[in-house]
Amino acid sequence: DVKVTQSSRYLVKRTGEKVFLECVQDMDHENMFWYRQDPGLGLRLIYFSYDVKMKEKGDIPEGYSVSREKKERFSLILESASTNQTSMYLCASSLGGFVETQYFGPGTRLLVL
Amino acid sequence: GQQLNQSPQSMFIQEGEDVSMNCTSSSIFNTWLWYKQDPGEGPVLLIALYKAGELTSNGRLTAQFGITRKDSFLNISASIPSDVGIYFCAGPYVGGAQKLVFGQGTRLTINP
Repeated sequence: DVKVTQSSRYLVKRTGEKVFLECVQDMDHENMFWYRQDPGLGLRLIYFSYDVKMKEKGDIPEGYSVSREKKERFSLILESASTNQTSMYLCASSLGGFVETQYFGPGTRLLVL
Repeated sequence: GQQLNQSPQSMFIQEGEDVSMNCTSSSIFNTWLWYKQDPGEGPVLLIALYKAGELTSNGRLTAQFGITRKDSFLNISASIPSDVGIYFCAGPYVGGAQKLVFGQGTRLTINP
């Protein structure tokens, strides 16, 4: 079974703090994704990585950056957290090629005060 | 950008009832995926559809790939309490098969 793990289930941070969300997958997947989930808006793609050190902006990249130094690990960074970044953050991975099926981690619920 | 419109946004049903939800797009999709998210967890893939007209079942769940390739349907028969959650449809971005676009979700609540 594919396993995607996220470093924290719940996180509380203050406005202006730098926040790191970590994601690890154990199935040697090429692709990794970061989404945020807000009620009524579904899942919106923040960033996508298709290889080590490679990244592509999603639909809502503003205020976020990412890092992929190793194939199994994909980090989402909030450079200066703001209250409108309070949300559920979901990491996912997929095999690559034309296989679209994505496997999700349990999510990190972030509250920015 | 691409959008998937999912309806209804929420459903409140009695245990044992059947459930139907659908997803529509303004553009053609070659793949439709249905995910379920249990409370407090990440989404899990339920069913994948790859061919127009395809009807696929997974236990009490049945999903269909619309003939026009612009819609898909998910049915749940004889609902049980563990069916509670949010159901998402998804399809690949045009020109970027490795990225998915998701619907807004259908939140299912079941009264025992």
